[in-house]
Amino acid sequence: GQNIDQPTEMTATEGAIVQINCTYQTSGFNGLFWYQQHAGEAPTFLSYNVLDGLEEKGRFSSFLSRSKGYSYLLLKELQMKDSASYLCAVMDSNYQLIWGAGTKLIIKP
Amino acid sequence: GAVVSQHPSWVICKSGTSVKIECRSLDFQATTMFWYRQFPKQSLMLMATSNEGSKATYEQGVEKDKFLINHASLTLSTLTVTSAHPEDSSFYICSARDTGDGDTGELFFGEGSRLTVL
Repeated sequence: GQNIDQPTEMTATEGAIVQINCTYQTSGFNGLFWYQQHAGEAPTFLSYNVLDGLEEKGRFSSFLSRSKGYSYLLLKELQMKDSASYLCAVMDSNYQLIWGAGTKLIIKP
Repeated sequence: GAVVSQHPSWVICKSGTSVKIECRSLDFQATTMFWYRQFPKQSLMLMATSNEGSKATYEQGVEKDKFLINHASLTLSTLTVTSAHPEDSSFYICSARDTGDGDTGELFFGEGSRLTVL
């Protein structure tokens, strides 16, 4: 079966760095997405990785290792507004998105 | 980036009535759109894949006669919840992928529609 695993909840301090991990087992691979979702809102796109390595975009970076079925989202200089759920999703061989349950990130002052 | 517009954002209806939710790609063409449902504190669940000019593909456990999907043009897909019941109350979200020259693989999401069935 297809499976995406990520931690349920994480807590970090404002100004710090946090890494959210995601492991996956899917039927084929056409890329891995990270989305941010604030409560009651639709997810917003953060990153897309299809090749191994690190993609940096401002305070957010995303890493992918296809051989290990592993990705992480790195958030630097955390701000209170970063408190949200972070969803890892993998596009399988049929171009369907397989979603993780999301990681709720709590930022404390 | 590309824009997907979803309407209405909020809808409250009586049990037994039908509700239509629209999903439009505003500045690109989308031969495929996806419909998701999210219950409180749960992740997005794919309900169906909407294909322009053909029948939608439903995920296992989703009743196609209850959730009618029509993808009549390259920019519009509609989801109709028929004979809605309180257990259908949820957050419904559509997404679309730019299948034209601008295709990066990224999915663009609508704003979501919160349905409350009384």
